[in-house]
This record gives sequence, structure tokens and C-alpha cells, in this order.
Amino acid sequence: NAGVTQTPKFQVLKTGQSMTLQCAQDMNHEYMSWYRQDPGMGLRLIHYSVGAGITDQGEVPNGYNVSRSTTEDFPLRLLSAAPSQTSVYFCASRRKRGDTGELFFGEGSRLTVL
Amino acid sequence: AQSVTQLGSHVSVSEGALVLLRCNYSSSVPPYLFWYVQYPNQGLQLLLKYTSAATLVKGINGFEAEFKKSETSFHLTKPSAHMSDAAEYFCAVRVNFGNEKLTFGTGTRLTIIP
Repeated sequence: NAGVTQTPKFQVLKTGQSMTLQCAQDMNHEYMSWYRQDPGMGLRLIHYSVGAGITDQGEVPNGYNVSRSTTEDFPLRLLSAAPSQTSVYFCASRRKRGDTGELFFGEGSRLTVL
Repeated sequence: AQSVTQLGSHVSVSEGALVLLRCNYSSSVPPYLFWYVQYPNQGLQLLLKYTSAATLVKGINGFEAEFKKSETSFHLTKPSAHMSDAAEYFCAVRVNFGNEKLTFGTGTRLTIIP
């Protein structure tokens, strides 16, 4: 069981560079989301999706883009990286929109922006 | 709006002692409440959840939490701490009625003293 797979696990960028964090799940989950985790701030929701072709903003969406062309994949794009985007990023999925089920998390992607 | 407050960013207990991690929520409608645990360099795992059924909820690894509406609290307890309980714990809230967003607290790091 792969669950939620994130790549890469580690990445160093220079200010202004762009990159995509990949997230894939093999559980046929409708709901997928991206969080960032920063010391003392817990996890903050960046973007989420309730199905293919449907995305919405979370608490801290600025500087990030997402798309959901398939049920399985939910990539997070940084268009022009800034040092403030140095963080650990987690992708998480849930079986169905609107349910109270468990969020399944990937192992995280640690991003450093110099 | 929904939010959670976790009192105490660091808690230390002796092995075998009671574990008590505090969480208070704010929500204008009946909430769903969750506790997640994060071990070093891993994603989050669900410990337990409250979804308007029994107010005393039992989770994995001997943890339980009690929903107290009058106190707007959902504190996490374990009668006897084990070394393997050392981790970071996050309380999270989500309101129902179609709201998809799960809001996390800032986390409590639990240290177990041998």
C-alpha cells in the first residue's frame, strides 16, 4: 500500500526559481489538500480539491498554484520561490468530500529557499 | 470561523505518569474534532476523532479525549505515559455543513522522562 506519495523529499531553490511538488494517492480519494508546517504555527492549509477539476483556496494560498486533472494527482506549483516559502509541505487526502473520515498524510517535502 | 488553541507548546511527563494535552476550540456550529500525532520526520496519523456521537472518544495507543461543549474543550489524555509516546500532537477542528477545511492547532511536543 503506497498511500500518499510525495516527491521530492528535499529540495533547495534559489529565490525566484519555480518548481512543482508532486503528490499522488492510490486510494481513489476524492479530497486532496496541501498544508505547510512551520515551527510554532502548526499546519496551515494552502489549497484543496474535492475532485478532478475542482480546486479551492485555503488559509495561505498566495504564491502557490494547484490543479487536479486526475483523481490520483494533486501537484503544488511555486511560481517564483521566496525565502518565506521555506517550510515542510504535506499532502493529505480523504476518501470523500464532506465526510468525517481520516486525513491520510504523505511523509512531507522539505523545501529551502535561499 | 473555526479555530483551535493548544495550551502548552511543550509538555514533559515522567514515564508511567498521566498525559494531559489541552485543546480548546472555537466554532459557531457543532464541530468535528480530531487529534493527530506526528513522529519525527513523518507525516501525521489520526489518533482519534469526535463526530457528535459519544462524548468520550477512545483512540489508538491508549489515548482518549472527552468533548465538553460547556467548556469548548477536547483534551487528550492517557493514564500512563510510555517512552514511545514522545511525539508532537495536533488538535484539529472542522465544522460540518459541507465545510471541507480542517484547521490545526499549533501543536504540543510531548517529552517522556525516563
